[in-house]
Amino acid sequence: AQKITQTQPGMFVQEKEAVTLDCTYDTSDQSYGLFWYKQPSSGEMIFLIYQGSYDEQNATEGRYSLNFQKARKSANLVISASQLGDSAMYFCAMRPMDFGNEKLTFGTGTRLTIIP
Amino acid sequence: NAGVTQTPKFQVLKTGQSMTLQCAQDMNHNSMYWYRQDPGMGLRLIYYSASEGTTDKGEVPNGYNVSRLNKREFSLRLESAAPSQTSVYFCASSEALRITDTQYFGPGTRLTVL
Repeated sequence: AQKITQTQPGMFVQEKEAVTLDCTYDTSDQSYGLFWYKQPSSGEMIFLIYQGSYDEQNATEGRYSLNFQKARKSANLVISASQLGDSAMYFCAMRPMDFGNEKLTFGTGTRLTIIP
Repeated sequence: NAGVTQTPKFQVLKTGQSMTLQCAQDMNHNSMYWYRQDPGMGLRLIYYSASEGTTDKGEVPNGYNVSRLNKREFSLRLESAAPSQTSVYFCASSEALRITDTQYFGPGTRLTVL
């Protein structure tokens, strides 16, 4: 079984500052994928970034980067130069890297509020 | 492309009523999924379909049925709605040709069961 833990229910960050959203996971799988999704107040789920467990480099997508520490089982999302539009819920998720097992397991999310 | 579409956007049911939530995707994706999102919890998988004609249970399948009508459409049916099924329901799809293929989500259906 897989488990995702997001320990920060809410965060307030000043605009233009960098922010780190924490995510720790637990799994017995050797190969797995980690995902981050953004959910604005409008409700849709927006894919942000992906990290594979065997990827040697940390993933980056524009202002988003993933601080992956495999030994510590953490996959923190870093948003650089935060903007007002970054205010949203953020979910960390994972799935096994098995064809045929496509079940994404989500954390409970972190509500990020950017302060002008 | 519209991506993943869901109908209806909002629905209020009485206990015991039935309804079907519709989902369609125009990305030619192989896999489709139904999730529910409850306050204070992440999304939980109800059912998924890896291809037309196949469906598999997720984490919380009780009280639901699904149909993969064709490659584009995946419906979720509540036969006898209960207040515990009040939730926001999301449909998602994925190409699922590579392990790394991500899931893309629809806008959600907010369901209230009285």
